Amino acid sequence: KQEVTQIPAALSVPEGENLVLNCSFTDSAIYNLQWFRQDPGKGLTSLLLIQSSQREQTSGRLNASLDKSSGRSTLYIAASQPGDSATYLCAAGSGAGGTSYGKLTFGQGTILTVHP
Amino acid sequence: DAGITQSPRYKITETGRQVTLMCHQTWSHSYMFWYRQDLGHGLRLIYYSAAADITDKGEVPDGYVVSRSKTENFPLTLESATRSQTSVYFCASSATGTREQYFGPGTRLTVT
Repeated sequence: KQEVTQIPAALSVPEGENLVLNCSFTDSAIYNLQWFRQDPGKGLTSLLLIQSSQREQTSGRLNASLDKSSGRSTLYIAASQPGDSATYLCAAGSGAGGTSYGKLTFGQGTILTVHP
Repeated sequence: DAGITQSPRYKITETGRQVTLMCHQTWSHSYMFWYRQDLGHGLRLIYYSAAADITDKGEVPDGYVVSRSKTENFPLTLESATRSQTSVYFCASSATGTREQYFGPGTRLTVT
């Protein structure tokens, strides 16, 4: 059974800092890994999707990397801003084939606070 | 509006009542999912569907029923609601190719 762990559980940083959020998964036979952002009381917004054949993806100030062999992914946020404050979730997508296609297993999330 | 919508956004019901949560997507995505989010448990998969008339259980399916007669709709029914089903429910969909999942805004359900 896939298990996903996110470290740290919470992070508070001053504005402008570069930061790294960590995600680890136990079963390396993933199809993809997806990073989400969730604001309080809101739904999930997809930030980055890394397919299993890729090593990293970038979108603006965000960069996500994937190392399947070690079961790790990191989300790097450059020059953090107060608007980045939210919960960040990573989710591992199950492999191809059969009815397990595309199922996501989520970590517990990292609560990020960026203060001015 | 394009995208994925859920209704109702908030629902209060009594123990033992049947309640149906609706999910609609306009992308014609093949795959649709239902998750629940609870403090201490995170997001857990309830049911998912690969196409119309094809559904399968996720991690926590007990007490729930789904159907998918049309590609764009994926309702979730609580046959006899219990207090333990108080939660926030999210619907999601994904295309066959990328499998990137897109989430709806959620339904906050309270069972009294």
